[in-house]
Amino acid sequence: AQTVTQSQPEMSVQEAETVTLSCTYDTSESDYYLFWYKQPPSRQMILVIRQEAYKQQNATENRFSVNFQKAAKSFSLKISDSQLGDAAMYFCAYLYSGGGADGLTFGKGTHLIIQP
Amino acid sequence: GAGVSQSPSNKVTEKGKDVELRCDPISGHTALYWYRQSLGQGLEFLIYFQGNSAPDKSGLPSDRFSAERTGGSVSTLTIQRTQQEDSAVYLCASRLGFGEQYFGPGTRLTVT
Repeated sequence: AQTVTQSQPEMSVQEAETVTLSCTYDTSESDYYLFWYKQPPSRQMILVIRQEAYKQQNATENRFSVNFQKAAKSFSLKISDSQLGDAAMYFCAYLYSGGGADGLTFGKGTHLIIQP
Repeated sequence: GAGVSQSPSNKVTEKGKDVELRCDPISGHTALYWYRQSLGQGLEFLIYFQGNSAPDKSGLPSDRFSAERTGGSVSTLTIQRTQQEDSAVYLCASRLGFGEQYFGPGTRLTVT
C-alpha cells in the first residue's frame, strides 16, 4: 500500500520570503499523480499544484513550484514571495493513475504560518 | 458555476443515533468520493462512486457506514448507531473524467 509522509507538522515564514514544504511517499507503482492541496480554516480543500509521475519537468503555478525526485520518492513544495493568504494546512497527496477506484492518499499535513 | 456542496455544515448527534450526510457534486461530474478527516487518523478515503456503478466500499471503517448515490448525482453517507470515534469532518469530492478532484466544504460531525 502507498504511504505519504510529511515530516514537518508546522512551518513558519516571514511574509515575502520563500518556504519549502517536504513530502516523501512510498509506492510500488510507476505511473501516478502527486498533488499539493491547501486547506484554510474554512475547511475547503483547494488544489495548489499537480505533478504527473511520467513528466520529468517540475510543475509550476505562479508562486508555487515543486521539486519532484522520482527515484528518491520526494515531492517538495516551494512557495515564493509568501503572502498572508498562504497561511493554511498543506497536504501532500498521491493517486495511482491506473484507475479511478482509489481515492487520494494524504500525508498528515503541514501547518504553514506566515509572519507579517 | 456551483462547486461541490455538502449539508449540513455541522451536525451534533447523540451516541447511538443514525445520521445522514449529503453531497451534491458538480453537475456532470461522474466520479464522487467521500473522505473522513479526524485529528487522530488524518485524511482517510472512505468510498468511491463512478457513475451508476456499484461503489468500492473497501475503505469504509465499519459496517455501520453505508453510502448511496442517486441517479449518478447526489450522494448520502449514512452512519448508523454513531460512536464518539465517528466524530470528524466528512469531505466529499467530485471529478470529471480523470481530472482533479474538487472538494466540498465538509460536514463537521460531533457525537456526544
